Amino acid sequence: GAVVSQHPSRVICKSGTSVKIECRSLDFQATTMFWYRQFPKQSLMLMATSNEGSKATYEQGVEKDKFLINHASLTLSTLTVTSAHPEDSSFYICSARGTLEFDEQFFGPGTRLTVL
Amino acid sequence: GDSVTQMEGPVTLSEEAFLTINCTYTATGYPSLFWYVQYPGEGLQLLLKATKADDKGSNKGFEATYRKETTSFHLEKGSVQVSDSAVYFCALSDRSDDKIIFGKGTRLHILP
Repeated sequence: GAVVSQHPSRVICKSGTSVKIECRSLDFQATTMFWYRQFPKQSLMLMATSNEGSKATYEQGVEKDKFLINHASLTLSTLTVTSAHPEDSSFYICSARGTLEFDEQFFGPGTRLTVL
Repeated sequence: GDSVTQMEGPVTLSEEAFLTINCTYTATGYPSLFWYVQYPGEGLQLLLKATKADDKGSNKGFEATYRKETTSFHLEKGSVQVSDSAVYFCALSDRSDDKIIFGKGTRLHILP
């Protein structure tokens, strides 16, 4: 089956620093990748949709200058949390969709970010 | 807009009990419906899906039927195991924009 990896799985950083999270599709080409945020005991909230080679589309209320998304290749998307603050602490999950399966998104294992 | 409502948890059952987790949806079009499972410390995994009315998705003993008339997609399993303990998310995807909309999740605890 299709595999999506995320790196790092956990990161702890100081307030004011920037953190980059990578999302890779390991065995398929992902034309579209999605970034979600999950608060404890809550559902996943879609943050943005990125298509390879174009700018990401952000959901309402998500600051594009704070959450920088780059989808530079068909197998890699990155999310950079700039000037992180404690309220940015969360579980960030990416998913990827290829060209063959219209509906199915394959999810990464998630990255837990803790901002001190 | 489109939305998904599922029963609140946690749900606690004994091993071999029958499981039902209710899920209803609202959508303007004809969405695909999904159940995802999230085991402790892991990412989401697709459990089953149905793409049109009256379709039944099934996997690992779990089943759900796409009921257009009641806008429901309830998850069922005849005999649960301790290893089924996880959080279950009902979700829909509107084909027009690729987005998946998730319910809030239902935490399931199975006692040995």
